[in-house]
Formats: sequence, structure tokens, C-alpha cells
Amino acid sequence: ILNVEQSPQSLHVQEGDSTNFTCSFPSSNFYALHWYRWETAKSPEALFVMTLNGDEKKKGRISATLNTKEGYSYLYIKGSQPEDSATYLCAFMKTSYDKVIFGPGTSLSVIP
Amino acid sequence: NAGVTQTPKFQVLKTGQSMTLQCAQDMNHEYMSWYRQDPGMGLRLIHYSVGAGITDQGEVPNGYNVSRSTTEDFPLRLLSAAPSQTSVYFCASSPPRGSGYTFGSGTRLTVV
Repeated sequence: ILNVEQSPQSLHVQEGDSTNFTCSFPSSNFYALHWYRWETAKSPEALFVMTLNGDEKKKGRISATLNTKEGYSYLYIKGSQPEDSATYLCAFMKTSYDKVIFGPGTSLSVIP
Repeated sequence: NAGVTQTPKFQVLKTGQSMTLQCAQDMNHEYMSWYRQDPGMGLRLIHYSVGAGITDQGEVPNGYNVSRSTTEDFPLRLLSAAPSQTSVYFCASSPPRGSGYTFGSGTRLTVV
């Protein structure tokens, strides 16, 4: 069983704060790392798919980096807004035709 | 495009009953997966498929069967429902080299 971990488990920040959280995954046999945003009562939505060591992706105020050699990825949110409140999930693939295993998620609450 | 369609949205079963959760996608995606969401556990993989005729077990396969006779459909069968299978079930699909998963809207299952 692949071990995908995320920290912290939950986070409360003030509107306007910048924040970041971590996804850890096995550093051997890496194929891809996904990030998803999951709002309450909705379905998860893909943010980024990262495949290369050193990858950096950006979508608006959200960005992500990837270090496959040490087995971690960071997700950054700049200037958090209440609408950023959600659970952020990462998911790991060891090979191209393999299962996608999710971490437990980081729950973000942005206080107006 | 409808995306990923799951039916039913809600279901109550009695212990020992069997049923099939339906999942269909119209995006010609090769990858399809079933996950269950339980409080504090994130998304756990039940079964997945990398193409028609190919299925494999995920993290928590016991008590569930799948088949993939067409690219579009990936039904999940509960053989003999147990209260431990009370959960929210998500079906997801993806092209093989990753724009990330598209998720269905989920099926909330209660086993009494």
C-alpha cells in the first residue's frame, strides 16, 4: 500500500494571509502527482498534474512545486480568500498505468 | 458533454442486500476508478480500470466487484451489503497521461 501523507490536517487563516501545505509520497518509482480542490457538498476538481522533478504550476493565486527526489510537493495560496476554503487533496501515481492513491487532505478555512 | 454520471445519488440498503452503483462517462477516458469517502479517511480506492476489459484492486476491494465491458461504463457491485459499507462513493475518469480525474457527483449509500 502506497503511503501518501499531507500536512497539516487542517488550517485556519485570516483573509489575505498566504499559506502553504505539504504532500509527501514515496520517492522511488514516481510517475505523477495530482492536486485537487474539494469544496463541501461538491466533487473534487483537479488543480494540477505534475510529472517532472522541479515542476512548478500556477493557476491564479494558487501554485505548486514538486520534488520527486525527496518525495514532496508544496501547494501555495497567495492572499487567501474565503472562497479558497476547501479541502486540498494530493494524489500519487507510481507508474503510468497504475492506481491513483489519495492523501487524507488538508482542510483550509479562510476567516473573513 | 455530461462528464461522469453516477446513479443513484442516494440509496438505502438493508444488510445482506446487493446492488450496483452505475458510472458512465462520455469523454472516451481510458482510466476509471471507484473511491469511497469516509470521515477522516479521505478518498480510498476500491477498484480501478485502465481500459475496457482490464480491472484491478485498490486499497479496500473486499465486498465489491467491478467489470469494464465498455470504455464508457464502470459499474460497482456490492455483493452483500454491510453497515461498514455506509459511505459516499465517487466514480472518476481520466485520460491515461493526466489532466487529472473528472469526478462524478457521488452516491450516498446507507446500509441499515
